[in-house]
Amino acid sequence: GQQVMQIPQYQHVQEGEDFTTYCNSSTTLSNIQWYKQRPGGHPVFLIQLVKSGEVKKQKRLTFQFGEAKKNSSLHITATQTTDVGTYFCAGWGDSNYQLIWGAGTKLIIKP
Amino acid sequence: SQTIHQWPATLVQPVGSPLSLECTVEGTSNPNLYWYRQAAGRGLQLLFYSVGIGQISSEVPQNLSASRPQDRQFILSSKKLLLSDSGFYLCAWHVGTASYNEQFFGPGTRLTVL
Repeated sequence: GQQVMQIPQYQHVQEGEDFTTYCNSSTTLSNIQWYKQRPGGHPVFLIQLVKSGEVKKQKRLTFQFGEAKKNSSLHITATQTTDVGTYFCAGWGDSNYQLIWGAGTKLIIKP
Repeated sequence: SQTIHQWPATLVQPVGSPLSLECTVEGTSNPNLYWYRQAAGRGLQLLFYSVGIGQISSEVPQNLSASRPQDRQFILSSKKLLLSDSGFYLCAWHVGTASYNEQFFGPGTRLTVL
């Protein structure tokens, strides 16, 4: 079946360093979404990418969708303590009703 | 505005006991609804989804069941809980158009089976 692989599982950074998480799908996706889950909380929608090669920015966050619509990345510049949490990608594949979720990347700020 | 409610927020249950978790949404009609489970430190596992009243699709064989008795109500149940049923249960509602899609999550129920 369709799968979305997300790496790394964890990333430890010093505050102020950059953070990147990558997603790769086994099949072409119609769109990809990114969610953030704060510790103890529920996932919250960040953004959707639809077009091949699309790049979107939200302040220090940059989201990219690959040309083949099979991979995506989220890059955070100059991390802050408020960025702590787990970032998930999720894509619509063949089914109109199911998102295929990556396993998430946990961003940890070193004390 | 659109809101999704889940209760209870936390639950501790003995092995073999029954379970009923409820999810209700406000501010929409005929939503697509989803039940996910998240083990500690892990990703989201889709358990069930529903596109309408009485319509349930199951993704993972298990001792859980789901029902949708009303348009905006989605219930997750078990007759006998297992230790492996512990986790964070999330109800979600799909908001979508031809050009925009988002899943909007409830606050979740943290279930511990002892």
